Amino acid sequence: KQEVTQIPAALSVPEGENLVLNCSFTDSAIYNLQWFRQDPGKGLTSLLLIQSSQREQTSGRLNASLDKSSGRSTLYIAASQPGDSATYLCAVLDSSYKLIFGSGTRLLVRP
Amino acid sequence: NAGVTQTPKFQVLKTGQSMTLQCAQDMNHNSMYWYRQDPGMGLRLIYYSASEGTTDKGEVPNGYNVSRLNKREFSLRLESAAPSQTSVYFCASSGETSGANVLTFGAGSRLTVL
Repeated sequence: KQEVTQIPAALSVPEGENLVLNCSFTDSAIYNLQWFRQDPGKGLTSLLLIQSSQREQTSGRLNASLDKSSGRSTLYIAASQPGDSATYLCAVLDSSYKLIFGSGTRLLVRP
Repeated sequence: NAGVTQTPKFQVLKTGQSMTLQCAQDMNHNSMYWYRQDPGMGLRLIYYSASEGTTDKGEVPNGYNVSRLNKREFSLRLESAAPSQTSVYFCASSGETSGANVLTFGAGSRLTVL
């Protein structure tokens, strides 16, 4: 059974700091892994998608890596801003097309 | 605009009432999903449909039924609502777009069971 874990559950950093969010999964047989952002009371916005054959994806200040063999992914946010404050969720698409989410990391970037 | 449409956005039910949440996508995606999200928790998969004509249980299927009516529509039914089903429900679809598997979410449906 695929399980997805995100650490830490919450993170508070001062503006300008670089930070890393972690995601781990128990079954390496995945099609892809995605990182999402969710603002309070809102839906989910896709940030980055990494196919199982890829090692990383970049979009602006965001960089996501994938190590399928060890069951790990990281989301790196450079030069954090208060507008980055949100909950970040990772999800894996497994071999049966089931999409499983982690419980998220709540990020607060302090001005 | 292309995307996933969920209805209703808000609903209040009494314990024991039934209701159906509707979801439709116009992106020709094969797979569709229903999730619930509770405070402090991530999204938990209720049911999913990998392709038209198939449905499978997710992590928390008890108390729910689904119907994949056609490729576009995937509905979630609560036959006898319970207070434990108070939650925000999200529908999503995924499919190949330009060689990548794209996942798109609806805006969510907030359900309160009294």
